[in-house]
Amino acid sequence: AQKITQTQPGMFVQEKEAVTLDCTYDTSDPSYGLFWYKQPSSGEMIFLIYQGSYDQQNATEGRYSLNFQKARKSANLVISASQLGDSAMYFCAMRVPSGSARQLTFGSGTQLTVLP
Amino acid sequence: DTEVTQTPKHLVMGMTNKKSLKCEQHMGHRAMYWYKQKAKKPPELMFVYSYEKLSINESVPSRFSPECPNSSLLNLHLHALQPEDSALYLCASSQDTGRGYNEQFFGPGTRLTVL
Repeated sequence: AQKITQTQPGMFVQEKEAVTLDCTYDTSDPSYGLFWYKQPSSGEMIFLIYQGSYDQQNATEGRYSLNFQKARKSANLVISASQLGDSAMYFCAMRVPSGSARQLTFGSGTQLTVLP
Repeated sequence: DTEVTQTPKHLVMGMTNKKSLKCEQHMGHRAMYWYKQKAKKPPELMFVYSYEKLSINESVPSRFSPECPNSSLLNLHLHALQPEDSALYLCASSQDTGRGYNEQFFGPGTRLTVL
């Protein structure tokens, strides 16, 4: 079975500073994908970034980067130069393609608040 | 067009009502999903359709009835709901449910309140 753990229920960051949201995962499958989604108060889940288990380099998408440490089974999201619009719930998720379910397993989420 | 649309945005219904939630995508995706999400919690998978056939039903009560009329549309029919069914209902789609990357694109959700 797959498991995703997000240990930070809430985080605060000052505008323009960087912030790291933690995510650890557990799976025995060597092939998996890790996703980060942002969910503003409006409700829509917005895809941010993806890291495959065999990817050699850490994924980056604009101000988002994924600090992937395979041996530690961690996939932390780094947001640089925080903006007020970054205030939202952030979910880490994993998909194991070889499993019978092949579906996303979500972490419990981190509520990020960016302070002006 | 990388958009999943959902209607209505908000729905208030009584426990004896029958209503439907609708979801549409035009990305050519062959997998579509329904999730239920309570406040401050992660989404919980309800149903998965793959190539218009129901492939996963996560032990959802029969008062929720999914339907996939074609590859672009997904409905969720609601009947005799309970107040605890009040939640945000999210629809998502992905290319398929195979072994690839398969990013899921989510719609804006329908906020359902059952009185």
